[in-house]
Amino acid sequence: EIVLTQSPATLSLSPGERATLSCRASQSVSSFLAWYQQKPGQAPRLLIYDASNRATGIPARFTGSGSGTDFTLTISSLEPEDFAVYYCQLRSTWPFPFGGGTKVEFK
Amino acid sequence: QVQLEQSGAEVRKPGASVKVSCKVSGYTLSELSMHWVRQAPAKGLEWMGGFDPEGGKTIFAQKFQGRVTMTDDTSTDTAYMELTSLRSDDTAVYFCATWDPLVGAFFTFDYWGQGTLVTVSS
Repeated sequence: EIVLTQSPATLSLSPGERATLSCRASQSVSSFLAWYQQKPGQAPRLLIYDASNRATGIPARFTGSGSGTDFTLTISSLEPEDFAVYYCQLRSTWPFPFGGGTKVEFK
Repeated sequence: QVQLEQSGAEVRKPGASVKVSCKVSGYTLSELSMHWVRQAPAKGLEWMGGFDPEGGKTIFAQKFQGRVTMTDDTSTDTAYMELTSLRSDDTAVYFCATWDPLVGAFFTFDYWGQGTLVTVSS
């Protein structure tokens, strides 16, 4: 089974700073990777699908990149509402795993 | 726009079963491929299973095979997930989730229910 490893586990930043989150696959997954944001007590929200496509209504400050085994979610300038946990997820291969998550917290 | 409304929190004893519902609106359940994802307290997301439109059948994560049943009631547009032989480590929030039937990418979840907390405790 393909394993997705996210890093870092926690990212401590201030509003206005740039956030760079990483997701690494244990083998090539082409571009079949999604990113989700989850806030406490809420369901996840789809941000990016197929590595680099923003989902409907997602602000342009969220950018996904990468292919093969290495993927990045970049938030160009953090807004207060962006402090949350972010997960990557593979859609091409059973059992459609999620990464362990990266928490973006206030510094 | 798809909307998913889940049933309320449940408490069960070890060894019991639980059945969680997910009511669809905005589309019919027949137009969707419903999946279930769970999240243990303070843990990450775990895909449990769902309908594979390419294979035409419901598929499951290995750890749940034999213990989970996923069914659809198309007359009420309600999906169900039943988990049996509950253990304390099944305590989690259970989400139903699906992708947009017109433009969504298979197995990428655009729409989520609000979650149902299932607590397993003696």
